[in-house]
Amino acid sequence: EDKVVQSPLSLVVHEGDTVTLNCSYEVTNFRSLLWYKQEKKAPTFLFMLTSSGIEKKSGRLSSILDKKELFSILNITATQTGDSAVYLCAVFGNEKLTFGTGTRLTIIP
Amino acid sequence: NAGVTQTPKFQVLKTGQSMTLQCAQDMNHEYMSWYRQDPGMGLRLIHYSVGAGITDQGEVPNGYNVSRSTTEDFPLRLLSAAPSQTSVYFCASSYSFGGTEAFFGQGTRLTVV
Repeated sequence: EDKVVQSPLSLVVHEGDTVTLNCSYEVTNFRSLLWYKQEKKAPTFLFMLTSSGIEKKSGRLSSILDKKELFSILNITATQTGDSAVYLCAVFGNEKLTFGTGTRLTIIP
Repeated sequence: NAGVTQTPKFQVLKTGQSMTLQCAQDMNHEYMSWYRQDPGMGLRLIHYSVGAGITDQGEVPNGYNVSRSTTEDFPLRLLSAAPSQTSVYFCASSYSFGGTEAFFGQGTRLTVV
């Protein structure tokens, strides 16, 4: 059975801190890994990763994939209150897009 | 470009009633899927389709039916609603399986009383 596990489940940090969110997976026929941000509505797309070791970057957010060790990390530097959200990791594999349970990130001003 | 359109946004059903959640996309996406989201559970896959005429079950298919008669539409039918089906439902689509991001509808909040 395909599995995507995210850690930690929740995280509370102060504004300006740097955070690292983790995603490990066990999925057959891996195609890609996706990161989404969700704030009380539909998830919004952040990154898609298909190759190991190539960092994707957008402003203060960055992500990298390790296909040998089957995990990905999402880094957020200089966090802001607007970064408070649930961050979802999902993997395309075996004809399915499987999601983890998410990491709830709370930024304290 | 409308993207992925889900209707209705909110719905209250009585136990035993049936209904259809509509999902339509105008991006010519081959892959479409339905998820339910419950507190602390992430998004769980109900059914998915890799193209018109092809559907398959996901992680939690019981109590739900789908069909994919056209590329654009992927309705989700609740056969006999139960309180355990109270949830937020999302439809998602992708141009190709694994090659592009998945786009989401705005969600349907369903309450079964």
